[in-house]
Amino acid sequence: KQEVTQIPAALSVPEGENLVLNCSFTDSAIYNLQWFRQDPGKGLTSLLLIQSSQREQTSGRLNASLDKSSGRSTLYIAASQPGDSATYLCAVSAGGGNKLTFGTGTQLKVEL
Amino acid sequence: DTAVSQTPKYLVTQMGNDKSIKCEQNLGHDTMYWYKQDSKKFLKIMFSYNNKELIINETVPNRFSPKSPDKAHLNLHINSLELGDSAVYFCASSSRLAGDNEQFFGPGTRLTVL
Repeated sequence: KQEVTQIPAALSVPEGENLVLNCSFTDSAIYNLQWFRQDPGKGLTSLLLIQSSQREQTSGRLNASLDKSSGRSTLYIAASQPGDSATYLCAVSAGGGNKLTFGTGTQLKVEL
Repeated sequence: DTAVSQTPKYLVTQMGNDKSIKCEQNLGHDTMYWYKQDSKKFLKIMFSYNNKELIINETVPNRFSPKSPDKAHLNLHINSLELGDSAVYFCASSSRLAGDNEQFFGPGTRLTVL
């Protein structure tokens, strides 16, 4: 059974810092991995998707990496801003890419 | 706007009632999902439909019955609501044909059972 863990559970940084969020999963037989952000009381916004054959994806200040063999992914946020404050969720899918198994999330606060 | 939409956004009801949540996507996707986010913010798959056919049912009580009238809609009907059903329910969609199966989520329906 796939289990996804995210560390840290919460993180507070000053504006401008670069930061790394971690995600680990127990079953390396994944189809893809998605990073989402969730703002309080809102839905999930897809940030990046990495296929199992890929090593990383970039979008603006965000870079996600995937090491499938070790069951790890990281989300790097460069030059953090207060608007980046949200909960970041990692999710993996398997078996043709259907069901997503979610991690517990990292609650990020970027302070002025 | 191209998106996944859900109605209602909030639903407050008494125990024992029956209620429905509706989901629509205009992204042209062939697969739709229902996820439940509990009070600890943990998200878990409930159902998945591909081309109107049920493909995932994650041991959800049979009081929950999804219905997909067409590829663009996936509704969730809940009978005999219980206190433990209080949660945020998210609908999502994706396209298997696109290859990456990236999932896009609706804004959620916050269900409160009193």
